[in-house]
Parts: sequence; C-alpha cells; structure tokens
Amino acid sequence: EIVLTQSPGTLSLSPGERATLSCRASQSVSRSSFAWYQQKPGQAPRLLIYDASSRATGIPDRFSGSGSGTDFTLTISRLEPEDFAVYYCQQYGNSPLTFGGGTKVEI
Amino acid sequence: EAQVVESGGGLVQPGGSLRLSCAASGFTFSGYWMHWVRQVPGKGLVWVSRINSDGSSTSYADFVKGRFTISRDNAKNTLYLQMNSLRAEDTAVYYCARDRWRASAFDMWGQGTLVTVSS
Repeated sequence: EIVLTQSPGTLSLSPGERATLSCRASQSVSRSSFAWYQQKPGQAPRLLIYDASSRATGIPDRFSGSGSGTDFTLTISRLEPEDFAVYYCQQYGNSPLTFGGGTKVEI
Repeated sequence: EAQVVESGGGLVQPGGSLRLSCAASGFTFSGYWMHWVRQVPGKGLVWVSRINSDGSSTSYADFVKGRFTISRDNAKNTLYLQMNSLRAEDTAVYYCARDRWRASAFDMWGQGTLVTVSS
C-alpha cells in the first residue's frame, strides 16, 4: 500500500498569500495518477487537480498541481477567503487507492 | 444537473448489516466506474471499494474484504454497498463517488450518509 504523507498539517496564512502544500508518497506513483481535493466543513470533497497537474472542470487557475514519482505539490497562488479548507492528496495508480491525512489551510 | 445521492445510513448494532444506496442522475451512469469512500467525522478520507462500469469487476480495501459487497444496477442508475458483520470501527460517513475515467480521480461526490455501529 502506498502511504501518502501530507505536510504541513496546518498552514496559517492570510488572504492574498501563496499556499504551498506537499504530499510525499512511500513509493513511486504510477503514471502520475495523483489528485488533490478540497473539503470544507460539512461538505463532500471537491476534485481540484487530477493526473498531478490537470485542473478539474470549473477550478480557478490560482490552483495548480505539480510533481511526479514520490513528491507532489498543490499551489494556491493567491488565497481567496473561500479557499480556507482542508486539502487531501490521493493516488489512484496502485490498489488500494490511498489518501493523505490532509492539510488544513486556516486564516 | 448531474449528481449522486446516498441513502441507507443509520444506527446498527455490532455484527449487524446495512445496505447503502447511491442514486445517480443527470449523466450516463452505466458509463462510469464508481467508488465508495468513508470518513470518520473529523478524520481523513479512506477508500473502501470500486466497481467497473458493467459490474463485472470489483475491488476492496483489505479491512472490508469478505464483509462488504459493492454492486450496481445500471437499469436503476443505482450503486449499492452491502455491509455485513459491522464493527464499531466501521462508523463513518460513507460517500459514493464517480470515477472520472476508469481508474482516475473522483470528479463527483454525494453528500454522504452516516453509518453508526453501536450497541
């Protein structure tokens, strides 16, 4: 099983700042089969990035994903008030599919 | 509007059974793989199970293998999760999620249904 470790656990920033979230896999993720999700309290997760760097439909371009192999990054270029949430990474290249433990982005 | 809506959660005693349903609408359900993901309130996401578009192939997380069964009825646009031999640690919100394209990311999620296993 591929273990995904997200860092930091909590990121304290202000609106307008840049957020950089990391996710490290315990072994190489095949075919860049990697995604990022956003989850707000009481809501279901929302897909932001798939295939490591492709934005999902309707996702603003301030969200970008990069990385390959074992190291992946989600960058939010300028935080908007609605971006304060928990972010999860996921690999879907190997079974079982696994998620990271989450990074909370707070004000 | 395309959406998936879960139902069937509730309180069940340890050792009991429950069947979750996920009703899909607004898209061609039979063309998509589907998944179940669970989340203990306040904790992270955990993948549970996956089924391919025609129901001929399934896979499970080890911790539910032999206890849970995923299935689908494409004529009814509905996904199911039959949960048997439930344990306290199965308590969670269960989400159904649509696979973007055959072993890809999950591009549509339901609102979740809470399963509580307790005596």
